[in-house]
Amino acid sequence: DAGVIQSPRHEVTEMGQEVTLRCKPISGHDYLFWYRQTMMRGLELLIYFNNNVPIDDSGMPEDRFSAKMPNASFSTLKIQPSEPRDSAVYFCASSYSGELFFGEGSRLTVL
Amino acid sequence: AQSVAQPEDQVNVAEGNPLTVKCTYSVSGNPYLFWYVQYPNRGLQFLLKYITGDNLVKGSYGFEAEFNKSQTSFHLKKPSALVSDSALYFCAVREANQAGTALIFGKGTTLSVSS
Repeated sequence: DAGVIQSPRHEVTEMGQEVTLRCKPISGHDYLFWYRQTMMRGLELLIYFNNNVPIDDSGMPEDRFSAKMPNASFSTLKIQPSEPRDSAVYFCASSYSGELFFGEGSRLTVL
Repeated sequence: AQSVAQPEDQVNVAEGNPLTVKCTYSVSGNPYLFWYVQYPNRGLQFLLKYITGDNLVKGSYGFEAEFNKSQTSFHLKKPSALVSDSALYFCAVREANQAGTALIFGKGTTLSVSS
């Protein structure tokens, strides 16, 4: 199995631009999670899905952030408009039996 | 509310010495506990978990962790550290009777093993 696949691995953009991060979970996993990692705040849960349905989005920082999971094999996290404080590494993870399997992350830099 | 505390930002040990990375947790009911490791510019990798049963859990790369319910702790240990163990380690928890909830992670502890 290829594991959780995230793209892009690196994204540099300017403030105000739209950013879309993508995730392909492991086939057969029914949970998908988006986390954000920064030096100051550590690993924060943003949102998670069960069977493509959002279960808890209370960690989404504000309305500029949105996430979708149109099918079992694809999810997106969108930031519009982006701001410098959104700079972080965004991780997608999927699970079936409890432990999470993480992707390699998308490092976002907003100038 | 669930929470995890990793009281040490950094742990330094010499190669060949035993290592301990501390973790304490808070949940309303029984916990499911996890340890993950993150190498530079990589995602988190699962090391081991405690669900139920034996309090001493063995995992990948020679690591083990001991669940202590009275102290609400789940410390990660290894008898003999390797330089290649140097990485960022995360403890995580969720409640056992809440299958549909996410893992809550601690802030991480950087382990540095010197040769």
